Amino acid sequence: KNEVEQSPQNLTAQEGEFITINCSYSVGISALHWLQQHPGGGIVSLFMLSSGKKKHGRLIATINIQEKHSSLHITASHPRDSAVYICPFENFGNEKLTFGTGTRLTIIP
Amino acid sequence: DTAVSQTPKYLVTQMGNDKSIKCEQNLGHDTMYWYKQDSKKFLKIMFSYNNKELIINETVPNRFSPKSPDKAHLNLHINSLELGDSAVYFCASSQQTGILEQYFGPGTRLTVT
Repeated sequence: KNEVEQSPQNLTAQEGEFITINCSYSVGISALHWLQQHPGGGIVSLFMLSSGKKKHGRLIATINIQEKHSSLHITASHPRDSAVYICPFENFGNEKLTFGTGTRLTIIP
Repeated sequence: DTAVSQTPKYLVTQMGNDKSIKCEQNLGHDTMYWYKQDSKKFLKIMFSYNNKELIINETVPNRFSPKSPDKAHLNLHINSLELGDSAVYFCASSQQTGILEQYFGPGTRLTVT
C-alpha cells in the first residue's frame, strides 16, 4: 500500500469550476508539499505545509495532521491549470520526499 | 541499497570556487533530474536528462552545467560559486520523462561563504 494516496487520479473539469484534489498519507510526517508538474516534466512547488492552511492566488492548500489528510483547492480554474498535481511528504529528520501517484487535472475551455 | 545517491552530502566552499555534485541511480531509470530547494524548502527543477540527453533546461545561470556520462549518472558542476547558490540540491530519477514517481536522492547541502 502506498504511503501517500491521492484522489482522484484523473479529473477533467470545465473552465471556472472549483477544483479539489485530496491527499491522504499513512505515516507520521513533518511536512507535506503540493507540487505542480507540467507536461514537459518540470516540477514547480506550490505549497509546503505542516499545519493549517495556505493561500496563494487562486490556490488554497489545507492540512489536517490528526486526520493525515491534505487538500488542494483551485478556484476559478483555467486551462493553464492543467497539469499533474503531486503531494509528497517529508519524514521527520529525512529530507527525502515520498511521492504518491499524483492527480492529472485537465481544464477544458 | 541506496536507490539514488548523491555525493557529497554537505559541501562548504568559498565564493568563486568551482565544485561538482555527483548523482548515481541504480534503478535502471531512463530520466534523471536536478532540483534546487531554496531556503523556504521550495523545489525548482534545474535540468532533466533522458538517456544522457538534455530535455529540460530551466532558466539557470550558465555557471551550472550538468554532465551525464551514462544514464545512471548525472553530475552537476557549478563554476564561480556565488552566495545565492547556497541551497540544498536534489537529484532524482524516474522511469520515463514526466512520470509521476520520481525517486529523490538524499540531497546535497551547499553552503557558499
